[in-house]
Amino acid sequence: QQPVQSPQAVILREGEDAVINCSSSKALYSVHWYRQKHGEAPVFLMILLKGGEQKGHEKISASFNEKKQQSSLYLTASQLSYSGTYFCGTEIGSENRDDKIIFGKGTRLHILP
Amino acid sequence: DAMVIQNPRYQVTQFGKPVTLSCSQTLNHNVMYWYQQKSSQAPKLLFHYYDKDFNNEADTPDNFQSRRPNTSFCFLDIRSPGLGDAAMYLCATSRDSGRLPYEQYFGPGTRLTVT
Repeated sequence: QQPVQSPQAVILREGEDAVINCSSSKALYSVHWYRQKHGEAPVFLMILLKGGEQKGHEKISASFNEKKQQSSLYLTASQLSYSGTYFCGTEIGSENRDDKIIFGKGTRLHILP
Repeated sequence: DAMVIQNPRYQVTQFGKPVTLSCSQTLNHNVMYWYQQKSSQAPKLLFHYYDKDFNNEADTPDNFQSRRPNTSFCFLDIRSPGLGDAAMYLCATSRDSGRLPYEQYFGPGTRLTVT
C-alpha cells in the first residue's frame, strides 16, 4: 500500500527546477505532500483530491492524475530553503475515504548555492 | 499559538522498561495520529483516533498501546521496549469532517533511545 516515490534523491543548484513523482497501485482518494527538514517535524505543503486538479503554493505546485494513480510535485526556481525530504502521503479509496494517509519513502532534495 | 506539543522531546529508557510518551493539542482537532519514524525512513502510522474511535494498524506490534482520555491528550505506551523500538515518535492532529481530508499538524516529536 505504500506509495512509490521517485527519484530517491535530487541535487540541484539554486534556481533549477525539480519534479518529484508519487505513484500508487491502489485507487486514491487524495494525495498529500509534506516537507521535512533534518531533525524537524514534517510540514504540510498541499493536498490534492481526486479529480485531476492542480494546486500551487508560491513556486511549488502539484498535479494529481487519478486515472494513473499518480501525483507529481513541481519545484520551480528552487531556493536554498527548499532543501529537505519530501514525502507524499496517499489516502486510498474510490468512493469512500480511508481517513488515514500512508507515506512514501521520501525524496531527499539538496539545493546547492 | 495553537499547536501540537509532545513531551518529553528526548526519552531514554532501558530495554524492557515501560515508557509513556505524551501528546497534547490546542487545535481542538478530532483526529490524532501516532507515527514511528526511524532514521532516513518515512513516518509509519501506528494508530489513530477518529474522535474516540481507536484504529490500529494491522502491523503495529501489540507492545504498542495508546490512550486518548479526552480531545486534547493522547498517550503512546510501549510496554516492553526493545532495541528496535528506538525511533522518533511523531504525534499529529487533523480536523477531519469525514467528507474531505485536511492537513495534518505534526508535533516536534519524541526521540526514544533504548539502552
